[in-house]
Amino acid sequence: GAVVSQHPSWVICKSGTSVKIECRSLDFQATTMFWYRQFPKQSLMLMATSNEGSKATYEQGVEKDKFLINHASLTLSTLTVTSAHPEDSSFYICSASGLSNTGELFFGEGSRLTVL
Amino acid sequence: AQSVTQPDIHITVSEGASLELRCNYSYGATPYLFWYVQSPGQGLQLLLKYFSGDTLVQGIKGFEAEFKRSQSSFNLRKPSVHWSDAAEYFCAVAANNDMRFGAGTRLTVKP
Repeated sequence: GAVVSQHPSWVICKSGTSVKIECRSLDFQATTMFWYRQFPKQSLMLMATSNEGSKATYEQGVEKDKFLINHASLTLSTLTVTSAHPEDSSFYICSASGLSNTGELFFGEGSRLTVL
Repeated sequence: AQSVTQPDIHITVSEGASLELRCNYSYGATPYLFWYVQSPGQGLQLLLKYFSGDTLVQGIKGFEAEFKRSQSSFNLRKPSVHWSDAAEYFCAVAANNDMRFGAGTRLTVKP
């Protein structure tokens, strides 16, 4: 099956610093990638949708200047949390869709961000 | 846009007992339906999916789900729960390259 990998799995940073999370599709070309945020004991909240080579589309209420998303190739998307603060601490999950039109998404393992 | 409702936030069952997790969706046509499982601190793992055809879908780990168009439901079942099944379960509906998730149901398994 299609494999999506996220890196890093865990990251701890100081308040005010920026953190980059990578999402890679390992064995397929991902035309679209999605970034989710998940708070403890809650469902996934879609943050943004990115298509290769174009600007990401952010969901309402998500600050695009704070959560920078780049989808420069068909196998890599990055999420950069800029000037991170403790309230940005969360579990971030990416997913990717391939060329099928079924809507099925393949998920990364998630990245746990803790901002001190 | 499509939406998903999981009515049960938390379910507790005894090990060996049967399990049914409810999922209802809202969409004008038949969407693509999925069940995912998430263990603490982990990503999502696909249990099963329904695109078309046979409305009873078999998945991994002994899970199955039945699509009922008349009830707009896609309930997940397992005949005999194992302690390792304790996790968070998410129902999802996809249409037009857009996937939406239910709020999740947390499963606790009693010894």
